[in-house]
Amino acid sequence: AQSVTQPDIHITVSEGASLELRCNYSYGATPYLFWYVQSPGQGLQLLLKYFSGDTLVQGIKGFEAEFKRSQSSFNLRKPSVHWSDAAEYFCAVGNAGNNRKLIWGLGTSLAVNP
Amino acid sequence: ETGVTQSPTHLIKTRGQQVTLRCSSQSGHNTVSWYQQALGQGPQFIFQYYREEENGRGNFPPRFSGLQFPNYSSELNVNALELDDSALYLCASSLSAGVSEQYFGPGTRLTVT
Repeated sequence: AQSVTQPDIHITVSEGASLELRCNYSYGATPYLFWYVQSPGQGLQLLLKYFSGDTLVQGIKGFEAEFKRSQSSFNLRKPSVHWSDAAEYFCAVGNAGNNRKLIWGLGTSLAVNP
Repeated sequence: ETGVTQSPTHLIKTRGQQVTLRCSSQSGHNTVSWYQQALGQGPQFIFQYYREEENGRGNFPPRFSGLQFPNYSSELNVNALELDDSALYLCASSLSAGVSEQYFGPGTRLTVT
């Protein structure tokens, strides 16, 4: 079955600390992978995506993610977290074949301590 | 460039009623996808419209239906509302069908009592 797992429901980090949010997927075809961020009362904003090529992708707001096919993972990282990064983060997977829908994880809620 | 807009922002309906939610896609985008996001959950794909035709559907019953208009704006209609339909409904537009970058609206919060 196709699925996305975000093992950490909630993470708290101190401002300035590094961050890694985990994402594991189960997908039969070549995956297209996404990370989105959702702030309270806001829609979802795309942070970065992986379709092919270099497995380390850079996104907006200083985020990056690494695609590891052998581990079926696409973890999101940031070297130094800012208080404004507090939000809900979602990993999603899809492909451009017949099944065009995105499959989403349950999200990781990030809190940032001053 | 105008982003994706949705209306209304919030609404409250009674079980059994019908509701219509609206979405205006980003300029130049011909594809609209609708998602349901229950509290504490990730979005669930409802369906996608590409050039006024349904182009993929998730595991939602037929009482969830949609339309896309020639200007690529879209409606989501839900009949016979149930309490479990209470959720944030998100619309996303993209330049083309398939899994290309999607731009999300702020959502409509539907409460069914």
